[in-house]
Amino acid sequence: EAGVAQSPRYKIIEKRQSVAFWCNPISGHATLYWYQQILGQGPKLLIQFQNNGVVDDSQLPKDRFSAERLKGVDSTLKIQPAKLEDSAVYLCASSLAGLSNGAFFGQGTRLTVV
Amino acid sequence: AQSVTQPDIHITVSEGASLELRCNYSYGATPYLFWYVQSPGQGLQLLLKYFSGDTLVQGIKGFEAEFKRSQSSFNLRKPSVHWSDAAEYFCAGSSGGYNKLIFGAGTRLAVHP
Repeated sequence: EAGVAQSPRYKIIEKRQSVAFWCNPISGHATLYWYQQILGQGPKLLIQFQNNGVVDDSQLPKDRFSAERLKGVDSTLKIQPAKLEDSAVYLCASSLAGLSNGAFFGQGTRLTVV
Repeated sequence: AQSVTQPDIHITVSEGASLELRCNYSYGATPYLFWYVQSPGQGLQLLLKYFSGDTLVQGIKGFEAEFKRSQSSFNLRKPSVHWSDAAEYFCAGSSGGYNKLIFGAGTRLAVHP
């Protein structure tokens, strides 16, 4: 079974530029999560989708971050414009339906904003 | 507020020694609880999970965890640590199956030969 796929693995951009990350969840997984992991900290949930609907985006900085999951499968997270403090690893995870079987994570995208 | 706390930032053990990583939670009802491991440059791998039932749960790689309601704890244990266990370990919790999964700050495990 293929795992959660994310791209790119690494990205370096200048502040005020825009960037987008892509995630393809495990086939059949209805729930998709985007997490931000700053160096030395635990992951923080940015947004959670159930199929193509948003379940929780309470910690998403909506003035600069946006995410979509148009067909209920893959998802894109965008930052525009980026700030230095956005430097982090962005992790995508998916689960079959909520957390009953746990959430499964991709390898993440490491973003460096200079 | 709902939270997960890992009191130990860094732990060092000798190879072959036993291991216990601490996790405390703050939830009104019995939460969904998880332990994940993260190797450098990698995503998080699920070690084990607890929802209800038997309070001692077995996971992958020889790990187990015990849910103790009276202590609001869900500590991770392994009887004999291998050098390959060196990694960062995260405890996480949720108040329900479709609710937010909250992570602790993590415990970095170093293993001495």
